[in-house]
Amino acid sequence: DAGITQSPRYKITETGRQVTLMCHQTWSHSYMFWYRQDLGHGLRLIYYSAAADITDKGEVPDGYVVSRSKTENFPLTLESATRSQTSVYFCASSGTGGFTGELFFGEGSRLTVL
Amino acid sequence: GENVEQHPSTLSVQEGDSAVIKCTYSDSASNYFPWYKQELGKRPQLIIDIRSNVGEKKDQRIAVTLNKTAKHFSLHITETQPEDSAVYFCAAVEYGNKLVFGAGTILRVKS
Repeated sequence: DAGITQSPRYKITETGRQVTLMCHQTWSHSYMFWYRQDLGHGLRLIYYSAAADITDKGEVPDGYVVSRSKTENFPLTLESATRSQTSVYFCASSGTGGFTGELFFGEGSRLTVL
Repeated sequence: GENVEQHPSTLSVQEGDSAVIKCTYSDSASNYFPWYKQELGKRPQLIIDIRSNVGEKKDQRIAVTLNKTAKHFSLHITETQPEDSAVYFCAAVEYGNKLVFGAGTILRVKS
């Protein structure tokens, strides 16, 4: 039972490069989320998806792009990485038949932008 | 949108003492309030939650209370142990089934 997995776990890139963080869940959960975690800010929502082909912005969406062509995958792309996007990124999922409230988080992806 | 404020940002207690973390929320329509624990280098995990039709919920040494009128909720940990040391996040559900998190509380339990 793999659950929810993120890749890569660690990534170092340079300013201006495109980066894609992958998220895959095996539970057929309807909802998927991307959060970033920064000291002093807690977990801030970037984008979320209620189902395949349905996505919406969260609190801090600028500079990020998402897609959800399949229920199990929810990739996050930084089109032109900036130093302010250095962070730990968590993917999460919830709800087989709808939103249940409880989020199941992946292990996180630590991104450093030089 | 929803705004969640969490206090204190850090909390140190002696092993065996109680710890209390408080959160306030802004959206009176919010009806679900979970608490997550994140150990160092790990993912956040749900430890307890409460819905707006309940005033208090307990699970062994942890409890959560909710005051809808005042729009605040609190996490209570009794008989703290070293393994309780972690970052704790409160959250509230915003319209659209989005969880909005507080900034977190670093709890240190000294033995």
